[in-house]
Amino acid sequence: QKEVEQNSGPLSVPEGAIASLNCTYSDRGSQSFFWYRQYSGKSPELIMSIYSNGDKEDGRFTAQLNKASQYVSLLIRDSQPSDSATYLCSNDKLIFGTGTRLQVFP
Amino acid sequence: EAQVTQNPRYLITVTGKKLTVTCSQNMNHEYMSWYRQDPGLGLRQIYYSMNVEVTDKGDVPEGYKVSRKEKRNFPLILESPSPNQTSLYFCASSYSGPDSSYNSPLHFGNGTRLTVT
Repeated sequence: QKEVEQNSGPLSVPEGAIASLNCTYSDRGSQSFFWYRQYSGKSPELIMSIYSNGDKEDGRFTAQLNKASQYVSLLIRDSQPSDSATYLCSNDKLIFGTGTRLQVFP
Repeated sequence: EAQVTQNPRYLITVTGKKLTVTCSQNMNHEYMSWYRQDPGLGLRQIYYSMNVEVTDKGDVPEGYKVSRKEKRNFPLILESPSPNQTSLYFCASSYSGPDSSYNSPLHFGNGTRLTVT
């Protein structure tokens, strides 16, 4: 089992909808997680960090961490075509999932 | 501006010709790392460094060398490149590395697209 797992997608959502991206992890000792957005051919950029159980909101983005179930998710509200990218999840050991490709269509 | 600078952005070379990809950060970060990214395989760690003169192998170190003589610089060296090292490479840094009491995210350079023919 990979330490951090993501569905590769693509996840296709219409403009204005909520996009839900999920990440599961195997190390129960992981305390914090990071979500990065990566446009094609560009470098990953940090969009959210979450350090404790529960939800963390930042603008249109909400990160959710559930340590009991060992998953972390990223919700993008009011999805825009400019949100189309690959989203990478990593744990505090800086191990990355393979990423989920999100496509937002007009 | 706080940043990680990689050079060159694009590099085409031939098998066996030694090359170096430079990486420099201006954030006084302790931790630096190199990744390669290939379709379907995600980011794979090549080497990392917790501090000056301290380097360790990541998941795919074969065919690569690194050095950390100064805190800000972490060059990636391919002594004898081969076509299977054709990839997109990223250098990254963070305030503290994994397993520290303060978990900090990575800051990435703009990437180097390497083609070995």
